[in-house]
Amino acid sequence: EDQVTQSPEALRLQEGESSSLNCSYTVSGLRGLFWYRQDPGKGPEFLFTLYSAGEEKEKERLKATLTKKESFLHITAPKPEDSATYLCAVLSNTGFQKLVFGTGTRLLVSP
Amino acid sequence: NAGVTQTPKFQVLKTGQSMTLQCAQDMNHEYMSWYRQDPGMGLRLIHYSVGAGITDQGEVPNGYNVSRSTTEDFPLRLLSAAPSQTSVYFCASNQMGGSPLHFGNGTRLTVT
Repeated sequence: EDQVTQSPEALRLQEGESSSLNCSYTVSGLRGLFWYRQDPGKGPEFLFTLYSAGEEKEKERLKATLTKKESFLHITAPKPEDSATYLCAVLSNTGFQKLVFGTGTRLLVSP
Repeated sequence: NAGVTQTPKFQVLKTGQSMTLQCAQDMNHEYMSWYRQDPGMGLRLIHYSVGAGITDQGEVPNGYNVSRSTTEDFPLRLLSAAPSQTSVYFCASNQMGGSPLHFGNGTRLTVT
């Protein structure tokens, strides 16, 4: 059974204080790993897709990396507007359309 | 482009009542899905569709029905609401299997 575990559950940072969020996964053949950002009262918003170990993607202050067992979302010099819940999801080779989501990391960045 | 539009935003039902959650997308995506989001649990797939006239079950399909008569619309029907169906429901669309999902802003449903 495909599984996704995200840690920590919640993270408080000061503005400018860099950190990383973790997504550990178990999947029967990875087709893709997805990162989403979710603001309160809104639907998730797509950030990145990673397909193979060693792959990295960047967008502004965010950088996602992938190994065979986990993915990290690195946040460099965060700003208060980066406060959100970050969701990780995996799609297996046999899962077709069936994404499996983690429970997310709630990030709060204080000015 | 409005993207994915869900209505209503909030709904309160009594146990046993029925209702339909509406979802429409204007991106001409073939694939559409319904998820529910509960505290302490990840988003869970209820039903999905890979095109007009084609639907399939996800992880938690019991108590829900779907149909897809057009590319744009993918309504979710609760035939007899139960308190266990209290949740936030998200509709999503994507271009093809495995491509990123575009989510609506959700419907918060409370069943008393």
